[in-house]
Amino acid sequence: NAGVTQTPKFRVLKTGQSMTLLCAQDMNHEYMYWYRQDPGMGLRLIHYSVGEGTTAKGEVPDGYNVSRLKKQNFLLGLESAAPSQTSVYFCASSYSIFNSVNTEAFFGQGTRLTVV
Amino acid sequence: KQEVTQIPAALSVPEGENLVLNCSFTDSAIYNLQWFRQDPGKGLTSLLLIQSSQREQTSGRLNASLDKSSGRSTLYIAASQPGDSATYLCAVSANYGGSQGNLIFGKGTKLSVKP
Repeated sequence: NAGVTQTPKFRVLKTGQSMTLLCAQDMNHEYMYWYRQDPGMGLRLIHYSVGEGTTAKGEVPDGYNVSRLKKQNFLLGLESAAPSQTSVYFCASSYSIFNSVNTEAFFGQGTRLTVV
Repeated sequence: KQEVTQIPAALSVPEGENLVLNCSFTDSAIYNLQWFRQDPGKGLTSLLLIQSSQREQTSGRLNASLDKSSGRSTLYIAASQPGDSATYLCAVSANYGGSQGNLIFGKGTKLSVKP
């Protein structure tokens, strides 16, 4: 039971470098999300997707881009990493969007990113 | 603005004790409320989901209640065990942050159950 898988699990970047985080889910979920978790801030929504080929901005989208070329994959890109993007990034997926009363969210294991 | 608060931030109890974790939210216009467990260095595991029209949900030793009108939820853990040690997160589903249906998280309660 793979569920939601994130790659990589750890990464250290230098300021200005770029990278892509990959999220893959095998539950045939339409909806996928990227969150970041920071000490004292809780989890905050970066971007989300309501289906293949769609993306939308969440609460803290600046400095990130996303793509959903395949239903099972959701990519989060950092074009020019900054120390403020040091965080733990979580991907999640759900069968329907969170405004459905019975929607359960499934999360990946997280990617710990450090930008120096 | 929807805000979720969890009290206490940390809790340490001896094994076998029954305990209650609290979650409050500022706007009662929610679709549902979920409780998650997060182990150190791990992802989030969904424990219980309470729909906005429901009052409580139970799973094993866990019982979660929801009082939407007062903006409160509690997670009751019976007969706590060392394996229950983790951070417990509360999240409400609501229209917020520019998205139709977002999960707004509290900062969590870090639980430590001593043998």
